[in-house]
Amino acid sequence: DAMVIQNPRYQVTQFGKPVTLSCSQTLNHNVMYWYQQKSSQAPKLLFHYYDKDFNNEADTPDNFQSRRPNTSFCFLDIRSPGLGDAAMYLCATSIDSGPNWGNQPQHFGDGTRLSIL
Amino acid sequence: GENVEQHPSTLSVQEGDSAVIKCTYSDSASNYFPWYKQELGKGPQLIIDIRSNVGEKKDQRIAVTLNKTAKHFSLHITETQPEDSAVYFCAATYGNEKLTFGTGTRLTIIP
Repeated sequence: DAMVIQNPRYQVTQFGKPVTLSCSQTLNHNVMYWYQQKSSQAPKLLFHYYDKDFNNEADTPDNFQSRRPNTSFCFLDIRSPGLGDAAMYLCATSIDSGPNWGNQPQHFGDGTRLSIL
Repeated sequence: GENVEQHPSTLSVQEGDSAVIKCTYSDSASNYFPWYKQELGKGPQLIIDIRSNVGEKKDQRIAVTLNKTAKHFSLHITETQPEDSAVYFCAATYGNEKLTFGTGTRLTIIP
C-alpha cells in the first residue's frame, strides 16, 4: 500500500545532541510537510516543501532544519535539541494540484516521538 | 490569519448514539475543510473533507455539514462504535495557505 513511513518511531537523544528524523513516501506526492505535535495539542506546521522549494514557517526556530534529497525522502534535523523540543514529529504529504495545492488532503505518517534526556 | 475554534474539547457518548463536533472559522476565504481522526500513538488520518461549493457530504456513518454564511462546519458520527474513540481535529484552509487546525475533541464511546 502507498504510504508515509517515519523512522524511527521512538527516538531518545541527549540535551544538545543533534538528531535526525526521517520520512519516506511511496505516494509520489510533490508536497511534503513537517509538523510538531505536543501532548493534547493540534499539529503545528514547522515547514513544507513544494517540490524542491523549501518554505519555513515564521515561528519555526532556527534549531530546526530540513533536507529533501529527492521526491520520496525528507529529513528533519534538530541541531541542538532542548527539553522543549520533546514532542511527536509528524511528516505529511499531499498531491500537487496546481495553484491551489494547499487544498488537497494531507496524508500523515505515524510520527516519531522524540524524548530529550 | 485563519483561526479555527472547536467544541467540545471532550465528548462521551453511549455506544450506538450519535456524536457531533462543531468548528467555526474566521476567514471567509477558507474553502477546504478536512476532518482528521487521531488514535493514540498514531498520526492523524483523514476521515472526511468538504469544499465550500457543497453544503453536506456523507460517507457511511460519517457526515460533515458546512454553513458558509455562519462560517461553521460540523462532524456527525452516527451509530457510534468503540473504535470511534479517538481525538478528532477539524481544519480549514484556502489556496496554498497552511492548514489551520482546531484544538481537538477527545471522543470516548462508552460500551
